[in-house]
Amino acid sequence: AQSVTQLGSHVSVSEGALVLLRCNYSSSVPPYLFWYVQYPNQGLQLLLKYTTGATLVKGINGFEAEFKKSETSFHLTKPSAHMSDAAEYFCAVSDQAGTALIFGKGTTLSVSS
Amino acid sequence: SQTIHQWPATLVQPVGSPLSLECTVEGTSNPNLYWYRQAAGRGLQLLFYSVGIGQISSEVPQNLSASRPQDRQFILSSKKLLLSDSGFYLCAWSAITGDSPLHFGNGTRLTVT
Repeated sequence: AQSVTQLGSHVSVSEGALVLLRCNYSSSVPPYLFWYVQYPNQGLQLLLKYTTGATLVKGINGFEAEFKKSETSFHLTKPSAHMSDAAEYFCAVSDQAGTALIFGKGTTLSVSS
Repeated sequence: SQTIHQWPATLVQPVGSPLSLECTVEGTSNPNLYWYRQAAGRGLQLLFYSVGIGQISSEVPQNLSASRPQDRQFILSSKKLLLSDSGFYLCAWSAITGDSPLHFGNGTRLTVT
């Protein structure tokens, strides 16, 4: 069975600093991996996804993530944080059957000026 | 383009009352449909998913039920609400292929009093 662990329930950075949100997964088959962002009282919005091919995936709003099979990781990064990046971020994994996504518990990103 | 509608946005219900949350998808056929619940600090919990009309899979035993009376309609119900049913309920859809992301509605904030 698949599972997702997001290290750090809360991450704080200064505006302009590097953002790094960590995600490790467990899967018995090659996974599909996703990052979502959620703003208060809204649904989740897809940031990026990894299915096959290039292991460095670029998404919206300047975010990117790298799939590292040897480390079973899919960490999310952004070179320079913006105040508007403050939100909750979820990592998710799906098996190739695509029945459903399994989500991590989320990481709240705070950005200070 | 595809859109997902979920209503109501907020709901306050007394303990023991019934519940009906509705979700509809436009612009796609035969989607997979999902109900998730989000509680503070606990991430997203998959409640139900459906791969077709009348086909419902339950992930967590509880006093909630789901139905899919039409291809693009998904309903979450309860005969008698409990205090523990309070939370943020999210409907989502995906295409039937495993690498397809979930697309979420804006959610329903349910408070059981």
